[in-house]
Amino acid sequence: ETGVTQSPTHLIKTRGQQVTLRCSSQSGHNTVSWYQQALGQGPQFIFQYYREEENGRGNFPPRFSGLQFPNYSSELNVNALELDDSALYLCASSIGRGGTDLYGYTFGSGTRLTVV
Amino acid sequence: RKEVEQDPGPFNVPEGATVAFNCTYSNSASQSFFWYRQDCRKEPKLLMSVYSSGNEDGRFTAQLNRASQYISLLIRDSKLSDSATYLCVIPGTGANNLFFGTGTRLTVIP
Repeated sequence: ETGVTQSPTHLIKTRGQQVTLRCSSQSGHNTVSWYQQALGQGPQFIFQYYREEENGRGNFPPRFSGLQFPNYSSELNVNALELDDSALYLCASSIGRGGTDLYGYTFGSGTRLTVV
Repeated sequence: RKEVEQDPGPFNVPEGATVAFNCTYSNSASQSFFWYRQDCRKEPKLLMSVYSSGNEDGRFTAQLNRASQYISLLIRDSKLSDSATYLCVIPGTGANNLFFGTGTRLTVIP
């Protein structure tokens, strides 16, 4: 059983550029959630995808968008990058849209994005 | 008011010490609570859950105080390997997202 994998692991972009981050969910999981973790802060919820549809969104502007594919992998796209977008981007896969049992909620190791 | 608030620390303690972290939450309807551990530049990993008054797992004890709306994590007999950031986590109302605290940094000193 494979875990959650994210790519790339590190990325440097210039302000104003666009970036796509990828996440492969754990086998058997149909839900992917994305989080942004700035330095010294806890992760903040960006949005969640369940069966290819957005299922909840945090307080992030529309230039943060996403996709989920039929195999439940997901992409996070950020347009018009700003310096404050520099952060660790984490995805987590799980089974189902919600619930409070987090033992099946698995994080990937993240993509570290630096905007210069 | 933030959904979850933690003392960021840092906490520097000697090996063998007992250390406790607190976390306050704003939503009195919250039913489940979690502590995650995050090592430097790594992803968060689930450490413990708390659904009622408390939970104990070896040297780690998590407690819940609903009246005061806080949860705590107690680590006894601290080891060097306990050095990490400990994040308090509460599911959102829709249960499709998680609210994380800022994390409390612990360093265990030889």
